[in-house]
Amino acid sequence: QVQLQESGPGLVKPSETLSLTCTVSGGFINSFYWSWIRQSPGEGLEWIGYISDRGSTNYNPSLRSRLTLSVDTSNNQFSLKLSSVTAADTAVYYCARDLITFGVRHWFDPWGQGHLVTVSS
Amino acid sequence: DIQMTQSPSFVSASVGDRVTITCRASRDISTWLAWYQQKPGKAPKLLIYGASTLQSGVPSRFSGSGSGTDFTLTISSLQPEDFATYYCQQANSFPPFTFGPGTKVDCK
Repeated sequence: QVQLQESGPGLVKPSETLSLTCTVSGGFINSFYWSWIRQSPGEGLEWIGYISDRGSTNYNPSLRSRLTLSVDTSNNQFSLKLSSVTAADTAVYYCARDLITFGVRHWFDPWGQGHLVTVSS
Repeated sequence: DIQMTQSPSFVSASVGDRVTITCRASRDISTWLAWYQQKPGKAPKLLIYGASTLQSGVPSRFSGSGSGTDFTLTISSLQPEDFATYYCQQANSFPPFTFGPGTKVDCK
C-alpha cells in the first residue's frame, strides 16, 4: 500500500523559500501524477500544483510565480519550493497521489499525514 | 476559478441518522466532483469521485449524487467513526482544482 511522508523545516522566515519533500513508499513514483495541497484555517484546502513522474507540471495560477515542483524518481521523491513566503503561506502542507479518471480528471488519494509550516520571524 | 460552496456548515446528528450534505459549484462541472472525509489531525480521505463512484474500501452507507452544479453526499446510517468534516472538490476546470469550505458532522 502506497504511503506518502512530507518532510522539511517547520519554521520559515518571511521572504525566504519554503522547501518540502514527499517520500513515496510501498510503491513507485513512476506512471503517476503527484500533487501538493495545503490547508490553513483561513483558506481551507488549496491545491498548489501537480507534477508527473516525467516532470510535467501544472501550477495553481495564484502561486505560479513563486512555485517550483520537481521530481526525483531515483529516490522515489518529489519536492516543492515556494519562494518569498509571507504569513499567508502558513499552513499544513500535504502531498498526495493523483487518481486520474477519463484521462484528465484528478482526484487525490492517498495523502501524506501533513506537515505544518509556520512563516514567522 | 470555479467556486465551491457547501451547506450546511455544521450538522448535529446522532448515530443511526441519515445525513445529507450539499455542494454547489459556481458553474456546470458535469459529474466531475469528489467528496473527502477528514478527521481531526488527519489528512483528508477520498470517499467518492465522479459524483457517485465509491472509492475502494469505502463503506456502502456513503453515496453521492448530482450533476451540473448541485451535488449531495448522503450517509445512510451515521456510524460513530463518521463524525468528521467533509469536503467536496471539483475536477472539471483547472488549474486550479478547488475545494468546498467543508461541512462538519458533529455528535448531537
